[in-house]
Amino acid sequence: AQSVTQLDSQVPVFEEAPVELRCNYSSSVSVYLFWYVQYPNQGLQLLLKYLSGSTLVKGINGFEAEFNKSQTSFHLRKPSVHISDTAEYFCAPPGTPLVFGKGTRLSVIA
Amino acid sequence: NAGVTQTPKFRILKIGQSMTLQCTQDMNHNYMYWYRQDPGMGLKLIYYSVGAGITDKGEVPNGYNVSRSTTEDFPLRLELAAPSQTSVYFCASSTGDTNQPQHFGDGTRLSIL
Repeated sequence: AQSVTQLDSQVPVFEEAPVELRCNYSSSVSVYLFWYVQYPNQGLQLLLKYLSGSTLVKGINGFEAEFNKSQTSFHLRKPSVHISDTAEYFCAPPGTPLVFGKGTRLSVIA
Repeated sequence: NAGVTQTPKFRILKIGQSMTLQCTQDMNHNYMYWYRQDPGMGLKLIYYSVGAGITDKGEVPNGYNVSRSTTEDFPLRLELAAPSQTSVYFCASSTGDTNQPQHFGDGTRLSIL
């Protein structure tokens, strides 16, 4: 079964600065990957997903992620963050049931 | 669209009490899940179900029970509440296709004192 590792547990960043949240996955024959976001006091919701095709995937709220097979990574990026992006972000491989990474807490500082 | 609905949103229990966390979904999903989330620990799967009448243990099932009598409902029961079960509980559902995401409820915050 696939697994993922989120390399940073907390990432503080100033408003309007760029951010990258890192996720590495274990290799497998076929790869699908998801990023979920959890805003304070809410459940998780899908941010974006990679199934196949273009390695650059665009999601909601200006986020994007790049699937890199050679580095087995699927890092999440945003060129300019807002206060409202403060949340916890989870990387997850496919599978039923899902096995989530431990999450990265993004704190955007005004 | 209601999606996945969890009740209650908050609850405080005394040690040894029992309660049922309710979860219902209106998307006709076959698969349903219960997770607990503790600070800094991510989500851990408690139980899941692939259809009515079928349930299976996840990573941390001890102290919990589930049933799945209908497609829509997947209640989680705590029989003898313990302080270690203080957590935020999330219910989720999905079609079961690996290329489809899970849909989550807003959680139940449970404190056991």
